[in-house]
Amino acid sequence: NAGVTQTPKFQVLKTGQSMTLQCAQDMNHEYMSWYRQDPGMGLRLIHYSVGAGITDQGEVPNGYNVSRSTTEDFPLRLLSAAPSQTSVYFCASRPPSGYSGNTIYFGEGSWLTVV
Amino acid sequence: AQSVTQLGSHVSVSEGALVLLRCNYSSSVPPYLFWYVQYPNQGLQLLLKYTTGATLVKGINGFEAEFKKSETSFHLTKPSAHMSDAAEYFCAVSDNNQGGKLIFGQGTELSVKP
Repeated sequence: NAGVTQTPKFQVLKTGQSMTLQCAQDMNHEYMSWYRQDPGMGLRLIHYSVGAGITDQGEVPNGYNVSRSTTEDFPLRLLSAAPSQTSVYFCASRPPSGYSGNTIYFGEGSWLTVV
Repeated sequence: AQSVTQLGSHVSVSEGALVLLRCNYSSSVPPYLFWYVQYPNQGLQLLLKYTTGATLVKGINGFEAEFKKSETSFHLTKPSAHMSDAAEYFCAVSDNNQGGKLIFGQGTELSVKP
C-alpha cells in the first residue's frame, strides 16, 4: 500500500514552460486535492475533486488545470509556468465521509522552481 | 467561510518545557479540526484530529489538543518538549461537506533549545 505518490519530487522549469505534476493514490479514495505551500502562508488549496470526472477550484486556481479521469490519478498541470508558481506542491486524498475519521492523507511533496 | 489563525509564527521552548501552540478557527458549521507536523523537506504528518465526541484529543508523540467551542480554539500542547519536536506545525479546519478540503493556518515553527 503506497498511499499518496507524487512525482517528480524536484523540478526546475523555465518561465513559460508547461509541465504536469503527477499524483496517484491506491486507497480508492474519492476525494483528492492539490495544495501549494509558501513561507508564512501555510497551505492553500489549488483544485480539488470529489470523484472521477468531477473537479472544482480552490483558493488559488489561476495558472493550473486538473482532470480526474480515474479514481486513482489527479494530475496538476501548469500551463505556462511563472516565477510566482515556485512553491512546494502537495497532493492529498481522503476516503468518503464517515470512513477513517475523515483523515486526509498527504503525499511527500513536489518542490518546483520556476526561473 | 472557514478560516484558521495560528498565533505566533515562531515559538521557542527549552527541552523539557511545556509546548503550547495556539490555534483559533472560524466556522459557520461544526468544524473538524486537525494538527499536522512537517519536518524539514518532508510532507505533512497528522498529529491529531477532532471530529466529534470527546473534546480533549490525544495524538502521537505525546501531543494533545482541546476543542473549546466557546473560545473557538484548538490549542496544541505537550507537557515536556523534546529536541525531536522541532518542526513546523499546522492547524487546519474542515467541513465534512466540502469534499476533503482543508483550510490551513499559516504555520508555527517550533524550536527546542537544549
